[in-house]
Amino acid sequence: KAGVTQTPRYLIKTRGQQVTLSCSPISGHRSVSWYQQTPGQGLQFLFEYFSETQRNKGNFPGRFSGRQFSNSRSEMNVSTLELGDSALYLCASSAGAQGQVDTEAFFGQGTRLTVV
Amino acid sequence: AQSVTQPDIHITVSEGASLELRCNYSYGATPYLFWYVQSPGQGLQLLLKYFSGDTLVQGIKGFEAEFKRSQSSFNLRKPSVHWSDAAEYFCAVGSYSSASKIIFGSGTRLSIRP
Repeated sequence: KAGVTQTPRYLIKTRGQQVTLSCSPISGHRSVSWYQQTPGQGLQFLFEYFSETQRNKGNFPGRFSGRQFSNSRSEMNVSTLELGDSALYLCASSAGAQGQVDTEAFFGQGTRLTVV
Repeated sequence: AQSVTQPDIHITVSEGASLELRCNYSYGATPYLFWYVQSPGQGLQLLLKYFSGDTLVQGIKGFEAEFKRSQSSFNLRKPSVHWSDAAEYFCAVGSYSSASKIIFGSGTRLSIRP
């Protein structure tokens, strides 16, 4: 069974640009979550999508957005990039339906975004 | 609000020695607790999880963790560490409303002394 696939693995962007990251969940999984990992703030929850609907959202500015397609693949977009957006962005997928927390979240290897 | 505290930023142990990584959580209801491991440049791998039942949980790679409600703790243990255990370890608490909204601790970096 293929794991969670994130593309690209590495990305360098300039301040003010926008970026789109992609995540393909494990086949059959309907929940996809995104996390930002930085040395200063650690791992922070961005948002979660389930069946194409945003189900949960973390405390990030509106520049961070996402969407999920009918095949459960998800994209995350960051507009007007700032230096502080440099981070490892991790995607996790799970089968979890509402309230079904006793399922495992599988993480991808992440996309390393560097903003210069 | 949910939160997770890992008081040890960096721990060094000798190969073959025992290990205990500390984790304290704050959560209003029954917590769903996890330990993840991250090797350099890699994603996160689940070591073990606790939802209910037996408070001593066995995980992969010889790790175990004990849930102590009275102390709000979920410490990770391993009786004998191997050089390959060197990595960053994250304790986390899950939300009942979502399988994938996980609040992570700040992590503990484990180094192994030969």
